[in-house]
Amino acid sequence: AQSVSQHNHHVILSEAASLELGCNYSYGGTVNLFWYVQYPGQHLQLLLKYFSGDPLVKGIKGFEAEFIKSKFSFNLRKPSVQWSDTAEYFCAVNTYNNNDMRFGAGTRLTVKP
Amino acid sequence: SQTIHQWPATLVQPVGSPLSLECTVEGTSNPNLYWYRQAAGRGLQLLFYSVGIGQISSEVPQNLSASRPQDRQFILSSKKLLLSDSGFYLCAWWDRGVSPLHFGNGTRLTVT
Repeated sequence: AQSVSQHNHHVILSEAASLELGCNYSYGGTVNLFWYVQYPGQHLQLLLKYFSGDPLVKGIKGFEAEFIKSKFSFNLRKPSVQWSDTAEYFCAVNTYNNNDMRFGAGTRLTVKP
Repeated sequence: SQTIHQWPATLVQPVGSPLSLECTVEGTSNPNLYWYRQAAGRGLQLLFYSVGIGQISSEVPQNLSASRPQDRQFILSSKKLLLSDSGFYLCAWWDRGVSPLHFGNGTRLTVT
C-alpha cells in the first residue's frame, strides 16, 4: 500500500521566516494531493489540493505547494509565517482510481512572535 | 447542503467492553466513507473505508470492525476493547470529485 511521509515532526520558526514542510509519497501512479491544517483545539481544514494542471498550487492564507512528480513530493511553502500559523499540518494522498485517502504523521509548526 | 454527524463526542469504556460508534451523512448519496484514528505524532491512521453499502476495506488488522448497513451510515465496532484502542476517532466522507474530505467532529474514546 502507498504511504505518505512527513519528515519534519516539529518545526519552530520566528515570525516572518519562510516555511517549507516536506511531504513525500510512495505510489508511482497518478495521485491527488492535499494539505490540511489543524489549529489548536479545532478540526482539520483544507489548505490546498492538487488534482491536475499547474503543479504549483495556491491555497488559503498565503500557502502554496508544488507537486514534483519525479521526486514524489508535494511540499508546502509560505514565504513569511505569522504567529497565527501555529498549528499541525497534514499531507494527504489519494491514488487515482482508488478510494483510499492516506495521511502523513503530521508536522507541528510553532511560530514564535 | 451536506452534513456529517458523528456520535458520541466522548466515550469512556472499560477494557473488554463492546464499542459502537456511528456516523451518518446527509445531503449526498453514495459517498465514500472513512474511519480514521488520530493519535499524537502518528497523524490520521486510516482504519476502514467504504465505497458502497456492505463494502468495507480494512487497512489495519486489529480488533475493530466496520459496517455500512445503509448508504449514508458507517459504524465502527469492537467486540472487546483494548487499552490501546483509546484515541480520537474521526469519520469522513468524500464524493470522489475535486472536493476535499469532509470530517465529522470526532469521538474521544478512553478505554480504562
